[in-house]
Amino acid sequence: AQSVTQLGSHVSVSEGALVLLRCNYSSSVPPYLFWYVQYPNQGLQLLLKYTSAATLVKGINGFEAEFKKSETSFHLTKPSAHMSDAAEYFCAVSDRRDNYGQNFVFGPGTRLSVLP
Amino acid sequence: EAGVTQFPSHSVIEKGQTVTLRCDPISGHDNLYWYRRVMGKEIKFLLHFVKESKQDESGMPNNRFLAERTGGTYSTLKVQPAELEDSGVYFCASSQSGVREKLFFGSGTQLSVL
Repeated sequence: AQSVTQLGSHVSVSEGALVLLRCNYSSSVPPYLFWYVQYPNQGLQLLLKYTSAATLVKGINGFEAEFKKSETSFHLTKPSAHMSDAAEYFCAVSDRRDNYGQNFVFGPGTRLSVLP
Repeated sequence: EAGVTQFPSHSVIEKGQTVTLRCDPISGHDNLYWYRRVMGKEIKFLLHFVKESKQDESGMPNNRFLAERTGGTYSTLKVQPAELEDSGVYFCASSQSGVREKLFFGSGTQLSVL
């Protein structure tokens, strides 16, 4: 069975500071890994995904994440936080057995606050 | 291109009442999924349609939940009768066939059962 943990349900950073949101996963098969973001009153948007190509994945809005198999981690980072980054972020894992969305397992989410 | 739309955005009902949530996927997307997030916990899978057929409904919590997808277009999720523990945010997502990873999510329906 797959699982995802996100350390910290709420993270606060100052504008311009480094953003680091942690995600650790458990999967019995090589995983696909994703970060989604939900802005207020909007649906989840895909930030980036890892699908076995480069381990350092670049996404939208300056975010990136690094897949570390030895640490079973897929932490999300951004060098300099912007006020518009305030949102809730979800890490998700999916296996590669088939083509169906039900294999998405989401973490509990981390709410990011950006302080002026 | 229109995204995934969900109606209503919020619903407040009393225990024992019936509520129907609607999801309109992106046109041409055969795959339609329902997810639920309860009490700020994990987003959990409910069920998956391929066109009008239920591919997997293993995540449906009990028989008070009924999902349909008329003609392979929009989908409805009915809760009858609603219980307090059904409160949460219900998300719908859709994707094209063969493009598993590219899920497009709606903004969700916030359901409150009082």
